[in-house]
Amino acid sequence: ILNVEQSPQSLHVQEGDSTNFTCSFPSSNFYALHWYRWETAKSPKALFVMTLNGDEKKKGRISATLNTKEGYSYLYIKGSQPEDSATYLCAFANTGNQFYFGTGTSLTVIP
Amino acid sequence: NAGVTQTPKFQVLKTGQSMTLQCAQDMNHEYMSWYRQDPGMGLRLIHYSVGAGITDQGEVPNGYNVSRSTTEDFPLRLLSAAPSQTSVYFCASSYSPGERTDTQYFGPGTRLTVL
Repeated sequence: ILNVEQSPQSLHVQEGDSTNFTCSFPSSNFYALHWYRWETAKSPKALFVMTLNGDEKKKGRISATLNTKEGYSYLYIKGSQPEDSATYLCAFANTGNQFYFGTGTSLTVIP
Repeated sequence: NAGVTQTPKFQVLKTGQSMTLQCAQDMNHEYMSWYRQDPGMGLRLIHYSVGAGITDQGEVPNGYNVSRSTTEDFPLRLLSAAPSQTSVYFCASSYSPGERTDTQYFGPGTRLTVL
């Protein structure tokens, strides 16, 4: 069983604030790191897939970085909006065929 | 494309009953998987399949069976339901089994309660 940890567990920010959260994963046998956005009563939707150390991905106001040597990824949201409220999940893929999910960071953006 | 569909959306079972959760995808994806989601825990992999006729166990396989007779369908069977199997179940699929950079597409989930 591999340990994928996300912090913080939950976060409340004001509209317009920028925020970031962390996903920590084993640094050995790394293959890929996925970020998902999960809105209440819906299913997880993919945000980014990252594979190379130093990778940076960006989609609108959301970006992510990857450090495979130390085993962490950051997700950043710039100028948070109420519609960004969701749980953000990361999933680690090693050299097997399995994905290991963190417990998620629940973000609430207060208007 | 309907994407990944799951039925039923909700189910209540009594301890000892059996049932099958259905999952289907119309994207010609090779990789399909079942996860369960419990409070305070991340999505945990139950079983997965890298193609028709091939299945393997994930992190928490006990109490569940799967089969993959077609590319499209990947049913999850509970042979004798137990209260510990009360959970929300998600099916997911992605295009290539060997390419873990492929995005997984999730179904809407099945909320199962075992009394």
